[in-house]
Amino acid sequence: QKEVEQDPGPLSVPEGAIVSLNCTYSNSAFQYFMWYRQYSRKGPELLMYTYSSGNKEDGRFTAQVDKSSKYISLFIRDSQPSDSATYLCAMKDGSARQLTFGSGTQLTVLP
Amino acid sequence: DGGITQSPKYLFRKEGQNVTLSCEQNLNHDAMYWYRQDPGQGLRLIYYSQIVNDFQKGDIAEGYSVSREKKESFPLTVTSAQKNPTAFYLCASSTPRGGSNQPQHFGDGTRLSIL
Repeated sequence: QKEVEQDPGPLSVPEGAIVSLNCTYSNSAFQYFMWYRQYSRKGPELLMYTYSSGNKEDGRFTAQVDKSSKYISLFIRDSQPSDSATYLCAMKDGSARQLTFGSGTQLTVLP
Repeated sequence: DGGITQSPKYLFRKEGQNVTLSCEQNLNHDAMYWYRQDPGQGLRLIYYSQIVNDFQKGDIAEGYSVSREKKESFPLTVTSAQKNPTAFYLCASSTPRGGSNQPQHFGDGTRLSIL
């Protein structure tokens, strides 16, 4: 079993839809949670960075962490075609130097 | 603009050849990382370096080597011992200032293929 599980998709939604992307994990020591967006043939770009449980909002993006369920989510409101990309979750514990990544979810927002 | 520059964008390797991927950052970050990305597998850590002249193996270091002679630079050599080198290679950096838990920022990658 992988430490971090992420549905690879592909996921297609119409423009304006609310998108929900999710990751589950098995290591209860993870405390820092990140979401990256990766366009085709580009490097990942940091979208959201959260510590421990709770919600964090930035514009159209909301990150949620539920440590009791070992489950994190990224919500995208009013999705746009420019949101079409692969979304990677990543996480680490307080002492680790390296991140553990999910395999990524490919999202397409149709005009 | 501050950022991470990876070169070349595309690279081809012949059998038995070593190739070196360049990574330069002007973010004044202390820590640098190399990842390999294969389709459907996410990112896997090859090597990382917290300070100049020091580096540690990641999960898949076999067949790779690195050096860290300058803070700004962290080149990766893919040796002939790496039997399946075709992948997208990503370099990242972060700063431990404010703690070791700062997020990592990525370059735009080098795609390596076998001739």
